[in-house]
Amino acid sequence: AQTVTQSQPEMSVQEAETVTLSCTYDTSENNYYLFWYKQPPSRQMILVIRQEAYKQQNATENRFSVNFQKAAKSFSLKISDSQLGDTAMYFCATDNNNDMRFGAGTRLTVKP
Amino acid sequence: DVKVTQSSRYLVKRTGEKVFLECVQDMDHENMFWYRQDPGLGLRLIYFSYDVKMKEKGDIPEGYSVSREKKERFSLILESASTNQTSMYLCASGGWGQKSQKLFFGSGTQLSVL
Repeated sequence: AQTVTQSQPEMSVQEAETVTLSCTYDTSENNYYLFWYKQPPSRQMILVIRQEAYKQQNATENRFSVNFQKAAKSFSLKISDSQLGDTAMYFCATDNNNDMRFGAGTRLTVKP
Repeated sequence: DVKVTQSSRYLVKRTGEKVFLECVQDMDHENMFWYRQDPGLGLRLIYFSYDVKMKEKGDIPEGYSVSREKKERFSLILESASTNQTSMYLCASGGWGQKSQKLFFGSGTQLSVL
């Protein structure tokens, strides 16, 4: 089975600054998908960004971008111009043939 | 907007009770999932289903069963609730678009077993 590791249980960043959340994963497959999900205090999980493993170009969504290193099995999330509303738990996830697996999460706090 | 609805936001049950957690989605998605979320452990997959009456075990199926009689509904059953099943339970559904799956989540059920 795939495993997903997030080594930073908690992080904080000042408003308007940039922060990077780390994620590594282990899979024997060559074709799979990677995701970052956000869970604010409301508990509603929201998809932040998605990356297809066969694409070399890193995905971006407005202030969110990823650094995908396939050989290293690394998939970090960069949040630029952090906003107070970015305060949440962030989960890295992999998808291989309908099998979705999540990491333990990183709690991010954006400080005013 | 896609909706994934979980029947209860908070639930308190006693040890040994049979517990049903219901999840309904309105997007005609093929895939549905049940996760439990515990601090420091993230989301762990209990069961998933890729079609009506089909189910697959996830990482932690022990003590749980599921039912999917209709495409829109995926139920998680705790046959005899135990205190170590106190947790947040998240249901999700997903459909394939652009060759990748995007999951939509319910708001979660915080289950306490006393």
